[in-house]
Amino acid sequence: SAVISQKPSRDICQRGTSLTIQCQVDSQVTMMFWYRQQPGQSLTLIATANQGSEATYESGFVIDKFPISRPNLTFSTLTVSNMSPEDSSIYLCSVGIGGLAETEAFFGQGTRLTVV
Amino acid sequence: GENVEQHPSTLSVQEGDSAVIKCTYSDSASNYFPWYKQELGKRPQLIIDIRSNVGEKKDQRIAVTLNKTAKHFSLHITETQPEDSAVYFCAALMDSNYQLIWGAGTKLIIKP
Repeated sequence: SAVISQKPSRDICQRGTSLTIQCQVDSQVTMMFWYRQQPGQSLTLIATANQGSEATYESGFVIDKFPISRPNLTFSTLTVSNMSPEDSSIYLCSVGIGGLAETEAFFGQGTRLTVV
Repeated sequence: GENVEQHPSTLSVQEGDSAVIKCTYSDSASNYFPWYKQELGKRPQLIIDIRSNVGEKKDQRIAVTLNKTAKHFSLHITETQPEDSAVYFCAALMDSNYQLIWGAGTKLIIKP
């Protein structure tokens, strides 16, 4: 299993500013994922963050808007840049544990972002 | 791209009755299918999973069935209880990059 500490748990930010979300994992993991989730909606993958390489972004998400750092195997950050009200959402980090054929996803507690 | 379809989006059942949520997937190479439960304001957590070499798996009141030929799998909850109220997500593990593809979620409401 994995325990993920994500912070901040919530924030209210002014439009045009940036927020950096941090995730700390209690064990070394190869792949970390960043998701966005509107309340009551599904998980939308923003990017996959692998240590030692650039993050891989999904369609509709770009590095300039959502820069990601992955300095080591236990830590990652996601920055939401130049925020607008449309960025208001819950952001979740996740890791996969268990190997190639059976990966259990563990999630941070989420960051509820409100942009005003 | 690969996708997972999940139905229904909302399911309301009487306490004590059974609930069934269905998913279909597109990646025929997928071999692992987990189900996650997300309670209001909390993070998703794994409740049961199934690999492609079995057709059914049970854990107390929860069961999952898999039809690999038809590329669909289902979650069955029997004797539903108020604490079963949550959003349930199915997922399929892509064989190409070991990334989970998520269904849209089902909001399960248990009526007392």
